[in-house]
Amino acid sequence: ETGVTQTPRHLVMGMTNKKSLKCEQHLGHNAMYWYKQSAKKPLELMFVYNFKEQTENNSVPSRFSPECPNSSHLFLHLHTLQPEDSALYLCASSKTIGDYGYTFGSGTRLTVV
Amino acid sequence: RKEVEQDPGPFNVPEGATVAFNCTYSNSASQSFFWYRQDCRKEPKLLMSVYSSGNEDGRFTAQLNRASQYISLLIRDSKLSDSATYLCVAWHGSSNTGKLIFGQGTTLQVKP
Repeated sequence: ETGVTQTPRHLVMGMTNKKSLKCEQHLGHNAMYWYKQSAKKPLELMFVYNFKEQTENNSVPSRFSPECPNSSHLFLHLHTLQPEDSALYLCASSKTIGDYGYTFGSGTRLTVV
Repeated sequence: RKEVEQDPGPFNVPEGATVAFNCTYSNSASQSFFWYRQDCRKEPKLLMSVYSSGNEDGRFTAQLNRASQYISLLIRDSKLSDSATYLCVAWHGSSNTGKLIFGQGTTLQVKP
């Protein structure tokens, strides 16, 4: 375990489904991040949360809806996704938003059919 | 233009070889740099930080050239277990904001 736990590890969903990805950390970190990693592409930063407040939305389509109820938990709600949204979704956390010591979760491998 | 650019490879080398990866970054405001390692279907993990003065950790040496906005990673005496994707990463921000920007990664395959 890396200290950042993501569930589920794998997810297959239809384009009309609604699902949620969960990320949890008990490292005492206050900043949390969602990254998307598609094949042959760099990790793309999607959202940043600092003390459960969203500080960055990197022009992510509204079919991705993040939620951060507290500093330890981060969700990514998915609805009406497209096949090109299939990717590895990685959650990370850091002590503060100005700290570059990120701890990554193992990721959720999402397939949209 | 990508903020952090790397040659995706793959680099196929025999055990014991020395291999070098290069990376360039476009944002001159980037303050800190790192190499991460990512194994197949796993999360990225920090390999080492990169400093202008050079940074060595065992068989791994990282170097930063701020004037050229260029970062390198040298692996000596390659092992089979070094096979992975190596991600060049830049960080820019301040005490109350910041983010890691990743390169596409360079794939290394070390052969027996």
